[in-house]
Amino acid sequence: EAQVTQNPRYLITVTGKKLTVTCSQNMNHEYMSWYRQDPGLGLRQIYYSMNVEVTDKGDVPEGYKVSRKEKRNFPLILESPSPNQTSLYFCASSLDPFYGYTFGSGTRLTVV
Amino acid sequence: AQTVTQSQPEMSVQEAETVTLSCTYDTSESDYYLFWYKQPPSRQMILVIRQEAYKQQNATENRFSVNFQKAAKSFSLKISDSQLGDAAMYFCAYRSLGLNDMRFGAGTRLTVKP
Repeated sequence: EAQVTQNPRYLITVTGKKLTVTCSQNMNHEYMSWYRQDPGLGLRQIYYSMNVEVTDKGDVPEGYKVSRKEKRNFPLILESPSPNQTSLYFCASSLDPFYGYTFGSGTRLTVV
Repeated sequence: AQTVTQSQPEMSVQEAETVTLSCTYDTSESDYYLFWYKQPPSRQMILVIRQEAYKQQNATENRFSVNFQKAAKSFSLKISDSQLGDAAMYFCAYRSLGLNDMRFGAGTRLTVKP
């Protein structure tokens, strides 16, 4: 089944404790993105990648890191999480963004 | 910068009736793509319908159709014969040729009453 797999689905952590949210797609898509969803703000892009080793910042990149060492994987790293990073996170991929993204099932992150 | 506005935070519709969700966007581009995504309580983001700006014909997908008014920068979603399973958050999204980002509106929560 073609899909984007995100893990974990839920995560509660403490301020400052490094964490990684994994994302993997099995569709051989070149484009991958990370979004965060907050009430009243919709989805905002954190980082995107157009291919292996090619990444760039989106609208809200502060406090986040990404890497794209393989085409299928695009992990999101929070080096020192803070409470304002409490949010719902989505990974998404696309062969061509003009056709829309396929989204993962989301990660609900709470930083206390 | 391109922005997407959904002016209706919440909408409700009676089962089997028709409802229209509004979306406007701001852009100086002439070529772009518009999308409607559905997010049910499972929180999965599901692509509902897609419109290419250079096409005048409005896109349709079964009970879902759009009213695309390019000059007015408006992209509304019409859901016909509403079903209980249509209850969800709906997001309007925009992407231009020169933008490595899909911009989303704040969303409209649709309730379907039996």
